[in-house]
Parts: sequence; C-alpha cells; structure tokens
Amino acid sequence: ETGVTQSPTHLIKTRGQQVTLRCSSQSGHNTVSWYQQALGQGPQFFFQYYREEENGRGNFPPRFSGLQFPNYSSELNVNALELDDSALYLCASSPPTRGSYNDQFFGPGTRLLVL
Amino acid sequence: GDSVTQMEGPVTLSEEAFLTINCTYTATGYPSLFWYVQYPGEGLQLLLKATKADDKGSNKGFEATYRKETTSFHLEKGSVQVSDSAVYFCALRGSNYQLIWGAGTKLIIKP
Repeated sequence: ETGVTQSPTHLIKTRGQQVTLRCSSQSGHNTVSWYQQALGQGPQFFFQYYREEENGRGNFPPRFSGLQFPNYSSELNVNALELDDSALYLCASSPPTRGSYNDQFFGPGTRLLVL
Repeated sequence: GDSVTQMEGPVTLSEEAFLTINCTYTATGYPSLFWYVQYPGEGLQLLLKATKADDKGSNKGFEATYRKETTSFHLEKGSVQVSDSAVYFCALRGSNYQLIWGAGTKLIIKP
C-alpha cells in the first residue's frame, strides 16, 4: 500500500511568483487536508477536500487555493508569494466516512523557500 | 477558539529516563485528542489518541490519558530510548473536524 506522497520535496521561489504543490492520497482515501508548518511551530490548517468538494477552510487569504481531482489527488496553489510563505506544506489523507473523523495520514511535506 | 498548549522544548533526557510532555487544551464541547510524532526528515505520524474523557491512548510504550477536569493530555513513557528523539505534537479535533495543533516539543535522548 502506497502512502501519501507529495511533490516536489523542496522548492525555491521568489517573491511575487506563483507555486503549485501536489499531493497523492493513500490508496482508498477520499479526503485530503492541507497544512502549513512554519519553522518551530505546529501545523496550521488550510482546507480539507472530500470527494472533490471543499469541506472546511482555515483562516488564510484567498491567494491560497486548492482543489481535489477525481482520483482524490490534490493541489495547493499559492499566488503572489510572500517571504512569510516560506514553510513546510503538509498534505494528509483520510479513508472514507463523511461526517466523522478518521485518522489522518501525512505525507513528508514540501519545503518551500521564498526569497 | 480552540487551542492547544504544550511544554516548550527541547527536553533533554538520558536513555531509560522517565518522560513527561505536558499538553493542555481549550475547547468547546468534547474534542478528540492526539499525539503525533515527527522524526527527523520524516512526515507526521499518529502516535496515539483518545476520543473521550478518561480514555487512555497507548502505543510503542507511550501513554496519555484524557483528563477533562484538568483539560490535559500529558504524554508519558517509562523508559525512553535514543530512537525516541523526535518532535512531539499534541493536537485536538473539534466539532468542525479540523486538527488544532500545539507548537511541538523537541525531545533529545542522550545515550
């Protein structure tokens, strides 16, 4: 069974650019969540997708957006990058059961550096 | 809003020492509580969880008991090993299914 994978593993961008991060959920999982983890801090929730629909959103500006595809993989898009966007971006997937919690399985993350 | 507070690190112990990492929370209702571990260079892994008051989660020799009266979920292990060196995160899940995280506690075990 393949776990959650993310690409790329590392990325360097300059301020004002746009970036797309990708996540492949674990086999059989249909829910994907995205988190931002700044250095030395705990993860902060971005949004969650269940069967291609947004199922919750954290307190982030609209230049952060995401989507989920029919195969349950997901993308996180960030426009107009700022220096403070430098962080580890984590994706987690969960097995199916809408309306209740299932354990989240995390990928290794994408480390983004904005110069 | 909901929040999690855990003790600051790093926590440095000798091998076979007793470990406690404190975690307290603020939440409405009855959240589920979790401990995650992040080994160097790896992703977050669920270590243990408890979904209601007085539940005890346990895994790999680690334990934590959901204490509603003190709003706490302290992580303990009787005898730590060098391989336990990692960053430990306490988290809660509220009614909106989002995970709310503590800042993490770095644990360093010396041989």
